[in-house]
Amino acid sequence: KAGVTQTPRYLIKTRGQQVTLSCSPISGHRSVSWYQQTPGQGLQFLFEYFSETQRNKGNFPGRFSGRQFSNSRSEMNVSTLELGDSALYLCASSLETGFYEQYFGPGTRLTVT
Amino acid sequence: AQSVTQPDIHITVSEGASLELRCNYSYGATPYLFWYVQSPGQGLQLLLKYFSGDTLVQGIKGFEAEFKRSQSSFNLRKPSVHWSDAAEYFCAVGGQNFVFGPGTRLSVLP
Repeated sequence: KAGVTQTPRYLIKTRGQQVTLSCSPISGHRSVSWYQQTPGQGLQFLFEYFSETQRNKGNFPGRFSGRQFSNSRSEMNVSTLELGDSALYLCASSLETGFYEQYFGPGTRLTVT
Repeated sequence: AQSVTQPDIHITVSEGASLELRCNYSYGATPYLFWYVQSPGQGLQLLLKYFSGDTLVQGIKGFEAEFKRSQSSFNLRKPSVHWSDAAEYFCAVGGQNFVFGPGTRLSVLP
């Protein structure tokens, strides 16, 4: 089976712009989670989608949003980018939610200038 | 609520030496436990998992972990570390939610 794919792998944006990141989960996986990783804050949970519904949300401002499509693919959007949004954004998929192991994509490196 | 602590932020070992990374969890029911490894700039890779049964689980790359319910621990071990093991290691607990620990950075001296 193909692994989790994320596009794009690298992105450079300017403050105030918005960005959309895409994640394709492993075939058959219905849960997709998003994480932000920075050197100072470590791995921080953004949100989880399961069967097109947001199941769980981390402590991030409303500028961060996401959605999941019927084929389980997911997108996350960040509006009005700030310098502090520069990070590695990781997507993970799992068969079901909660108990099952998560499989990670390679991440999207976002740089905000 | 579930939580995971990894007491060591950074550990340095010599190549060939043994390794133990600590993980403590908090969860009211039987936990589902995981260890992941992350090389710089990469995604996380699953090393091993514990769901039930034998408390000593084997993983990839020669790693193993032992579940100790009485200590709420799930420590990761490797008998002989290789330079390529230098990376960030994350412990996680599954349940109602999937929760990661803060990670332990491993450096390996030649």
